[in-house]
Amino acid sequence: GNSVTQMEGPVTLSEEAFLTINCTYTATGYPSLFWYVQYPGEGLQLLLKATKADDKGSNKGFEATYRKETTSFHLEKGSVQVSDSAVYFCALSNQGAQKLVFGQGTRLTINP
Amino acid sequence: EAGVVQSPRYKIIEKKQPVAFWCNPISGHNTLYWYLQNLGQGPELLIRYENEEAVDDSQLPKDRFSAERLKGVDSTLKIQPAELGDSAVYLCASSPRDGGTDTQYFGPGTRLTVL
Repeated sequence: GNSVTQMEGPVTLSEEAFLTINCTYTATGYPSLFWYVQYPGEGLQLLLKATKADDKGSNKGFEATYRKETTSFHLEKGSVQVSDSAVYFCALSNQGAQKLVFGQGTRLTINP
Repeated sequence: EAGVVQSPRYKIIEKKQPVAFWCNPISGHNTLYWYLQNLGQGPELLIRYENEEAVDDSQLPKDRFSAERLKGVDSTLKIQPAELGDSAVYLCASSPRDGGTDTQYFGPGTRLTVL
């Protein structure tokens, strides 16, 4: 079946550090891939997405590239800010199933 | 544009009591989802509606959970009776078409505590 595995947290970094959160997936066919973010006390928000191999999703300085050969969709940001502190979820959607399958989430804390 | 609205935000009940959660999706969104999020885990789909039809309820524990989406707009998720293991956050989401590639927009969730 479809599944998503994320880098275990929590992750703690200093402001302006480089961020990578690893995400790998298992799926049949060609899924779409997503990163969602959950800020404290708020609902899940879409951060970025990619719908086919080699696509790069980007938003708010975050990037992730759909790598079919390694079944990965790692999230990166060159310089994190305190306001990036949140829980990040990697997810996939297989058009046949038409539902999101999430990873377990990675809690990120950025210290000033 | 208003987002997905859920109520209540928090609910505390004793086991064996009934409970209901309400969701109002974004206007014009035909597809509505209910997800269950246990502490420290990602959300898991309970049920998906296309308009008023439940098209995927394979993960809904039908012995105690029920859902409805009258007139294809608002939706209600009910648990009767609640068990201790039902303590979790219940998320509602909507999307304009099928959620395969369209973005799903999430509400803030209802945090349920069963004592």
